[in-house]
Amino acid sequence: LAKTTQPISMDSYEGQEVNITCSHNNIATNDYITWYQQFPSQGPRFIIQGYKTKVTNEVASLFIPADRKSSTLSLPRVSLSDTAVYYCLVGDTWSDYKLSFGAGTTVTVRA
Amino acid sequence: SQTIHQWPATLVQPVGSPLSLECTVEGTSNPNLYWYRQAAGRGLQLLFYSVGIGQISSEVPQNLSASRPQDRQFILSSKKLLLSDSGFYLCAWTTTDRVEAEAFFGQGTRLTVV
Repeated sequence: LAKTTQPISMDSYEGQEVNITCSHNNIATNDYITWYQQFPSQGPRFIIQGYKTKVTNEVASLFIPADRKSSTLSLPRVSLSDTAVYYCLVGDTWSDYKLSFGAGTTVTVRA
Repeated sequence: SQTIHQWPATLVQPVGSPLSLECTVEGTSNPNLYWYRQAAGRGLQLLFYSVGIGQISSEVPQNLSASRPQDRQFILSSKKLLLSDSGFYLCAWTTTDRVEAEAFFGQGTRLTVV
C-alpha cells in the first residue's frame, strides 16, 4: 500500500463542509483510493472510493487531481453524528494484501 | 449477502491466561482475512492477515498467533496474555474478486487483561 499522510485532527461546526486531504505521493498505477469512517468502539466502515477525478455518493464526495498524488474527502453540511476518525487508504488488493490503516484524521463537529 | 461474525463482544481475562477470539465470514469464498488491534485513542494496528487456508502473515512480533483452519474462519490466540494485550480487536475481510475491494469489519472484541 502506498504511504499516506493526513492531518491528525480537524474541528468543525454543524452545517459546515469538512474537507480532509490525504497525500499519497507514491501512488501506483493500479492503486485505488478508499476512505473509511470509524466511530468509537466500532469497526471502520467504507465511505467512498475512487480512482481519478470526482466521485460522489449519498455520504461524501471524493476529489482526485489528475496526478493522483493527493485526494480530498468532502463531507457536506456535517452534523454532530459525523464526529469520527476518517482513514485514507491507497492500494490494490490484488498485488498488496496488507491493509494498513494510519492514524487517521479525528474530525470533531461542535454545535 | 456477506456478513462477518466476531465474538465475544467483551472479554475480561487475567494475566497469563490463554485467549481465543474467533471470526467467521459468510456469503463469500476465499476472502482475505485480517486481525487488527486498537489501543484506546489510537489507530488500527494490523496484527495478522491471511490470503488462504493455513497462510498467515504476521505484522507485529508479539505473544499472539493466528490461524485459518477453514476458508472463512480466522482465529486469534495467545497462550499467556499480558497486560499490554488489552485493547479493541477487530476482524476484517476483503473479497478477492475485485482489485479495488473494500474492507468489511466485524463488531470487535473489547479485551481487558487484568
